[in-house]
Amino acid sequence: QVQLVQSGAEVKKPGASVKVSCKASGYVFTDYFMHWVRQAPGQGLEWMGWINPKNGITSYEKKFQDRLTLSRDTSTSTAYMELSSLTSDDTALYFCARVRPNVALDYWGLGTLVTVSS
Amino acid sequence: DIQMTQSPSTVSASLGDRVTITCRASQSIVYWLAWYQQKPGKAPKLLIYKASSLESGVPSRFSGSGSGTEFTLTISSLQPDDVATYYCQQYNTYWTFGPGTKVEIK
Repeated sequence: QVQLVQSGAEVKKPGASVKVSCKASGYVFTDYFMHWVRQAPGQGLEWMGWINPKNGITSYEKKFQDRLTLSRDTSTSTAYMELSSLTSDDTALYFCARVRPNVALDYWGLGTLVTVSS
Repeated sequence: DIQMTQSPSTVSASLGDRVTITCRASQSIVYWLAWYQQKPGKAPKLLIYKASSLESGVPSRFSGSGSGTEFTLTISSLQPDDVATYYCQQYNTYWTFGPGTKVEIK
């Protein structure tokens, strides 16, 4: 069965970077784009970007363009989300989610809580 | 950028009621719209894709309709397990979520 297992919670200081991993299993990793979505406490869902695991091509939401890096390691079927220059506004639950072509985000990780605090 | 709005922000209905949520896009997204259900502390769950296609395993009381800029999600008979927040999402140009609609039992 399809599973997306994310890394554990992180606490970071303002100005630092965070890297969250998402290990995929149960399907061919390179056949499906991976998206990242975040959710601040008590708020709605915010799309961040996607990566094509086959070739590493990425697309980012404009507001994250300068400080978001999505990457992947095909040898371990793992996608990564790195966000730099963190502020308290980046405190959120970060999800990875697989997209089925012409469908939508059909499988999601459980989320990784990133807390930014001095 | 395509903006998404949802109404109402909260709906309170009785068990067995028909519940309708509306999602509007700032420009045409054809039928590239999905609906998700999210319960507190959980990841979203895909319900509907391409505006009206029911995801496998989702109860048939959920249905979606619409095209262009206006879309609806309908729960034909509200059940206790349907208490959640519902989000629409466009994927015509980039990806954008609506602000969400919270569904409660009256």
